[in-house]
Amino acid sequence: QQQVKQSPQSLIVQKGGISIINCAYENTAFDYFPWYQQFPGKGPALLIAIRPDVSEKKEGRFTISFNKSAKQFSLHIMDSQPGDSATYFCAASRFKAAGNKLTFGGGTRVLVKP
Amino acid sequence: DAGVIQSPRHEVTEMGQEVTLRCKPISGHDYLFWYRQTMMRGLELLIYFNNNVPIDDSGMPEDRFSAKMPNASFSTLKIQPSEPRDSAVYFCASRQGAGDTQYFGPGTRLTVL
Repeated sequence: QQQVKQSPQSLIVQKGGISIINCAYENTAFDYFPWYQQFPGKGPALLIAIRPDVSEKKEGRFTISFNKSAKQFSLHIMDSQPGDSATYFCAASRFKAAGNKLTFGGGTRVLVKP
Repeated sequence: DAGVIQSPRHEVTEMGQEVTLRCKPISGHDYLFWYRQTMMRGLELLIYFNNNVPIDDSGMPEDRFSAKMPNASFSTLKIQPSEPRDSAVYFCASRQGAGDTQYFGPGTRLTVL
């Protein structure tokens, strides 16, 4: 059972545009929502994360928006650059549960055209 | 820090052969995770260890898969016998304590013919 659904599977955006990736989760016990960025041939790397006590978190050009009642969260990439071309994974976990195991979404391949 | 180290980076084997994937976590990290990535199923957690002890292996697909962590700086994931459907990229990740960041290795691309 997929507990974290991610969309779209892929998107193409022009340089300077905004990339938006959405995720929805089912388990209301989840309380930690990270986004990972993966470049071809590399392992995923933590990009930004949010806890449900805030509705938005911004780090540079990357912003997470969180809607607890809708059980949805999204990643916005502002002023997208060709170097942002990568696959992005949302994830969710129970932060204080044993192991803090991450459940990943299916991934979104982002291509930023110059 | 060298980060999480995995070997080999690529492995091509024939069906029925034994495959051993290796991982060296970041020094001082007490959690180690093994993941499998495929186009169809995405990133799946196979097993994780805490202080070298396997805690949750519910993601291990079959008895053909086994994982060990004999010490804090080394772990193996073994597939015996291997099958074509095991073809995937296998990642190892480590984390320090209950912290939020898992650090992934570069992965091993396994192809079973």
